[in-house]
Amino acid sequence: SQQGEEDPQALSIQEGENATMNCSYKTSINNLQWYRQNSGRGLVHLILIRSNEREKHSGRLRVTLDTSKKSSSLLITASRAADTASYFCATISYSGGGADGLTFGKGTHLIIQP
Amino acid sequence: EAGVAQSPRYKIIEKRQSVAFWCNPISGHATLYWYQQILGQGPKLLIQFQNNGVVDDSQLPKDRFSAERLKGVDSTLKIQPAKLEDSAVYLCASSSSGQLTPGANVLTFGAGSRLTVL
Repeated sequence: SQQGEEDPQALSIQEGENATMNCSYKTSINNLQWYRQNSGRGLVHLILIRSNEREKHSGRLRVTLDTSKKSSSLLITASRAADTASYFCATISYSGGGADGLTFGKGTHLIIQP
Repeated sequence: EAGVAQSPRYKIIEKRQSVAFWCNPISGHATLYWYQQILGQGPKLLIQFQNNGVVDDSQLPKDRFSAERLKGVDSTLKIQPAKLEDSAVYLCASSSSGQLTPGANVLTFGAGSRLTVL
């Protein structure tokens, strides 16, 4: 089953604009991560935010986490054509026994128009 | 640092045939995962290995899917017999950390093996 739900499912903006994607999840988590997937490729890790953190920055990326609302957002500032990709949030909940696979949402497909 | 290697990149088979995918994780990564990604959806975890032991295979359809990680390095995922609904990209990922270092489980993915079942 998929834990996260990204919103919107698809987003098209002009180059230079900011892009915001949201993720909601259902159960308590230890951390939340965002990954990018270019067409026909594997996923690439972008950023990780722990459950006790509220905001994190990495270059043009800003991630927020609200555990009370079970939601996260990913902001990409000053978008570029190369940012065109699908973006997935992934959560992890340690439940013992060593199982710690990430649970992914369905993703937001971002298109940056030149 | 070499990435996660997967082969084949593409495979087309008839339903009821068998297929095998191979993965070589990043050197030294103890944890290996197989994910299934159906078109338009996010990846779904099939199985997790810690060294050569299975940690989680709760979502693996064991009547047709099998996986092994002999010697704790390379891994093979097999489907037999394949069904139409198995058409997907099979992603292998590895990680150097796990529950012993909670909060640091970042995955490195391979490019995937795209399976089409006709």
